[in-house]
Amino acid sequence: DVKVTQSSRYLVKRTGEKVFLECVQDMDHENMFWYRQDPGLGLRLIYFSYDVKMKEKGDIPEGYSVSREKKERFSLILESASTNQTSMYLCAGSAEARVYGYTFGSGTRLTVV
Amino acid sequence: GQNIDQPTEMTATEGAIVQINCTYQTSGFNGLFWYQQHAGEAPTFLSYNVLDGLEEKGRFSSFLSRSKGYSYLLLKELQMKDSASYLCAVMPGYALNFGKGTSLLVTP
Repeated sequence: DVKVTQSSRYLVKRTGEKVFLECVQDMDHENMFWYRQDPGLGLRLIYFSYDVKMKEKGDIPEGYSVSREKKERFSLILESASTNQTSMYLCAGSAEARVYGYTFGSGTRLTVV
Repeated sequence: GQNIDQPTEMTATEGAIVQINCTYQTSGFNGLFWYQQHAGEAPTFLSYNVLDGLEEKGRFSSFLSRSKGYSYLLLKELQMKDSASYLCAVMPGYALNFGKGTSLLVTP
């Protein structure tokens, strides 16, 4: 199984700060994803990457960017944090998605004040 | 685009059987997934369907009808620990698109 680690469980940042959310997987797999999860809205895809230096926008990319310099690390960047970006952020990686599905990290609860 | 619908909440009794339905409309289809998510935890993979029919895995089964855009997750012999949110997700391409989830409460 892919193991996915998110560096922070809880973060509190100020409006306007640049925020980095880090995600590392321990297997040599191509696909990685960033979602946010909000009550009543479910999981929404922000960005995903299917290879190093490759990235694709998801459904809600506005206000976010990503970096994938190495296969094992996929970073989500909030260029200028705003209060509407307060959310639970979940990173996922996939091995054989049809057999194992995606493996999610434990999540980062971000609060922007 | 994608549209995935599932009931918001369901309640069932310990030891019973419950069926959680999911309907979807999608521009492409590489499979349908079900996930379980306990409060405060990450989603965990339950099942995958890409062909029509029933996939059984222990107490959990998942059914797919591609022509109807319909799936269900069947949970048998419910246990208290099955109280969780159940997420239906469709893979139109590389990434999963999730429904809003069904919160299942199992009562004694």
